[in-house]
Amino acid sequence: DAGVIQSPRHEVTEMGQEVTLRCKPISGHDYLFWYRQTMMRGLELLIYFNNNVPIDDSGMPEDRFSAKMPNASFSTLKIQPSEPRDSAVYFCASSLSENQPQHFGDGTRLSIL
Amino acid sequence: QKEVEQNSGPLSVPEGAIASLNCTYSDRGSQSFFWYRQYSGKSPELIMFIYSNGDKEDGRFTAQLNKASQYVSLLIRDSQPSDSATYLCAVPRFSGSARQLTFGSGTQLTVLP
Repeated sequence: DAGVIQSPRHEVTEMGQEVTLRCKPISGHDYLFWYRQTMMRGLELLIYFNNNVPIDDSGMPEDRFSAKMPNASFSTLKIQPSEPRDSAVYFCASSLSENQPQHFGDGTRLSIL
Repeated sequence: QKEVEQNSGPLSVPEGAIASLNCTYSDRGSQSFFWYRQYSGKSPELIMFIYSNGDKEDGRFTAQLNKASQYVSLLIRDSQPSDSATYLCAVPRFSGSARQLTFGSGTQLTVLP
């Protein structure tokens, strides 16, 4: 079975540019999560969806960040405009239901110059 | 008190020894507990989960849970150099309308040949 698929794997862009990260969850999983990982702050939950509906976006750092899930097999995380402090590894994860293990994608390593 | 606390390490053990990783959590209502392993530059990978007080064994890994003490641990027997990684403890907490995982900061384990 295919796992969680993220793209791109690496992104390097200049400050001020729009960045779009993409995620395809495991088929049949009702929950989708976006995380950010840095050395200083560890793994932080940014937002999660249940059946395509955003449930908790309290971890989204600023209005520059937005996430959508137009259907059960696709989600995006956008940063506009991007800043150097947004540089991190962004993970997408999915799970079957509440309290169930989350399965992570390979992540997108984002560098904002 | 942090929601999920782990000894940050680094923890070094010789090959063949038992590695003991510890985690405490603050939410007494948590019912399920997860251990993830993360190799450098890779995504977190689920290795164990436990729901009931006591021990759960899976190969060389044993998870131990004590809900009264709000304590969960992971023992790795016969440690191998390939076990060298960061181990993340994850505990559900309420986020929006459901419980979702909160991750500890991780314990970095090095197994010395």
